[in-house]
Amino acid sequence: QKEVEQDPGPLSVPEGAIVSLNCTYSNSAFQYFMWYRQYSRKGPELLMYTYSSGNKEDGRFTAQVDKSSKYISLFIRDSQPSDSATYLCAMLSYNFNKFYFGSGTKLNVKP
Amino acid sequence: DGGITQSPKYLFRKEGQNVTLSCEQNLNHDAMYWYRQDPGQGLRLIYYSQIVNDFQKGDIAEGYSVSREKKESFPLTVTSAQKNPTAFYLCASSMTQGAAGNTIYFGEGSWLTVV
Repeated sequence: QKEVEQDPGPLSVPEGAIVSLNCTYSNSAFQYFMWYRQYSRKGPELLMYTYSSGNKEDGRFTAQVDKSSKYISLFIRDSQPSDSATYLCAMLSYNFNKFYFGSGTKLNVKP
Repeated sequence: DGGITQSPKYLFRKEGQNVTLSCEQNLNHDAMYWYRQDPGQGLRLIYYSQIVNDFQKGDIAEGYSVSREKKESFPLTVTSAQKNPTAFYLCASSMTQGAAGNTIYFGEGSWLTVV
């Protein structure tokens, strides 16, 4: 079983839709959770960073962590064609000094 | 601007050649990493370094080598022993590996193709 599971998609939505991207994990020691956006042939860029459980909002993006279910989500409101990219989740357990990544979900927002 | 610079962006290697990918960061980060990304497979850790003159193997180190002579620099050599080197290579850095509140930042990547 992988430490982090992420549906690869692709996920195709119309412009303006609310997008929900998700990851599940198996290690209860994970404390820090990140979402990255990666455009084709580019390096991943950090979108959201959260600690432990709860929600964090930044503009059109909301990151949600449910540690009891070992489940994290990224919501994108009013999605735009420029949001079309691959989204990677990442997790860190400071006890183990290693970042764990999901395999990425490819999102396509149609104009 | 602070960031991570990788070069070259595109590189072609002949069979049996060694090639070196450059990675420089000006974020004053202690830890640096090299990942390999293949289509549909996510990121796989090749090597990482927490401090100058020290580095550890990641999950797929065979056929690769690194050095960390300066805090800012962490070059990766893809040797002829790497049987399937065609991939997208990402360099990354973080403040201190494992520190509370830490996160990881990436360069723009280098594409390596064997011809």
